[in-house]
Amino acid sequence: AQSVTQPDIHITVSEGASLELRCNYSYGATPYLFWYVQSPGQGLQLLLKYFSGDTLVQGIKGFEAEFKRSQSSFNLRKPSVHWSDAAEYFCAVGAVNAGKSTFGDGTTLTVKP
Amino acid sequence: GAVVSQHPSRVICKSGTSVKIECRSLDFQATTMFWYRQFPKKSLMLMATSNEGSKATYEQGVEKDKFLINHASLTLSTLTVTSAHPEDSSFYICSAGQANYGYTFGSGTRLTVV
Repeated sequence: AQSVTQPDIHITVSEGASLELRCNYSYGATPYLFWYVQSPGQGLQLLLKYFSGDTLVQGIKGFEAEFKRSQSSFNLRKPSVHWSDAAEYFCAVGAVNAGKSTFGDGTTLTVKP
Repeated sequence: GAVVSQHPSRVICKSGTSVKIECRSLDFQATTMFWYRQFPKKSLMLMATSNEGSKATYEQGVEKDKFLINHASLTLSTLTVTSAHPEDSSFYICSAGQANYGYTFGSGTRLTVV
């Protein structure tokens, strides 16, 4: 069965500092991996996705993620966090094009001024 | 880009009544729509898969008679919460698309049953 683990429930960083959100997955086949961001009371916005090819993928809002098959990880990074990045972040794994995805429990990001 | 609209964005209903939530693909045809439920401070849980013109496929533990899903056209799927109770209060999100093109999430519907 597929599963996603986001080890950090809550992370606090200072504005301008770098950020890394961890994601580990378990999937029986080639995984399709996604990172989403959710602001309070809002739907999900896709930040980036990995299907194949270059293991370092670039997303919107300055985010990037690196797929490491040997570690079953897909960590999200941003070199300099902005206050507007404060939100809930979800990692997901799924079949073709994320139609049916399994989500991690999310990481809440707080940004200190 | 692909846009998925959910309506209403928020709804409050009395216990025992039914509520219908719509998921529309505005600028593309969605052969498949997925319905998720999100509890406070929790992740998304897939409830059911809806294919246009077919009966929905429900995940284990989801009551199909309570959560009625209809996908009558390539741009609209509806989720009806029947005889709603306070424990049905939640955030419901749909995802719409096609396998070869990808899927887009709607903005969600906050249901509160009082």
